[in-house]
Amino acid sequence: DVKVTQSSRYLVKRTGEKVFLECVQDMDHENMFWYRQDPGLGLRLIYFSYDVKMKEKGDIPEGYSVSREKKERFSLILESASTNQTSMYLCASAGTPLYEQYFGPGTRLTVT
Amino acid sequence: GESVGLHLPTLSVQEGDNSIINCAYSNSASDYFIWYKQESGKGPQFIIDIRSNMDKRQGQRVTVLLNKTVKHLSLQIAATQPGDSAVYFCAENMGVIQGAQKLVFGQGTRLTINP
Repeated sequence: DVKVTQSSRYLVKRTGEKVFLECVQDMDHENMFWYRQDPGLGLRLIYFSYDVKMKEKGDIPEGYSVSREKKERFSLILESASTNQTSMYLCASAGTPLYEQYFGPGTRLTVT
Repeated sequence: GESVGLHLPTLSVQEGDNSIINCAYSNSASDYFIWYKQESGKGPQFIIDIRSNMDKRQGQRVTVLLNKTVKHLSLQIAATQPGDSAVYFCAENMGVIQGAQKLVFGQGTRLTINP
């Protein structure tokens, strides 16, 4: 079974802090994604990566950056957390087809 | 603009009945349509896909219907069980846009099962 793990299930941070969300997949997938999920808005793509050291902006990249130094690991970074970044963050990976994505359990981030 | 939407945000059905979850889409160029299931406390899970040149696809207890004339997608779950309680998302694969695959998710429908 494909397994996508995320470093934390719940996280509470203060405004202005730098936040790292880690994601690891064990299926040797080239493609990895970061989404945020908010009530009424569904899943919105923040960034994705189709190879090591490669990254592409999604629909809402502002305030976020990513890092992919190894194939199995994709990190989401909030450079300076703000309250409007309080959300559920979901990581996913995919091989082929790209739309068959395997999601982690999510990290619920609260910024106070 | 282009969007994937849902007709009903919540759906409540009796255990053992069939469930039908609907979805409207607007991009006629999408090549695949996908359904995901998200149980409480978990990430979304791929259920089934359908290619745009098909109008029906069946899986285990699930059937996807695609009506391209009215741009409508539905997920039918037969003999609904308590384990089917979840939020269901439709998504459309809009192909390559600006060098990247574009997968657009709908807002989701919450399915609850009454005993």
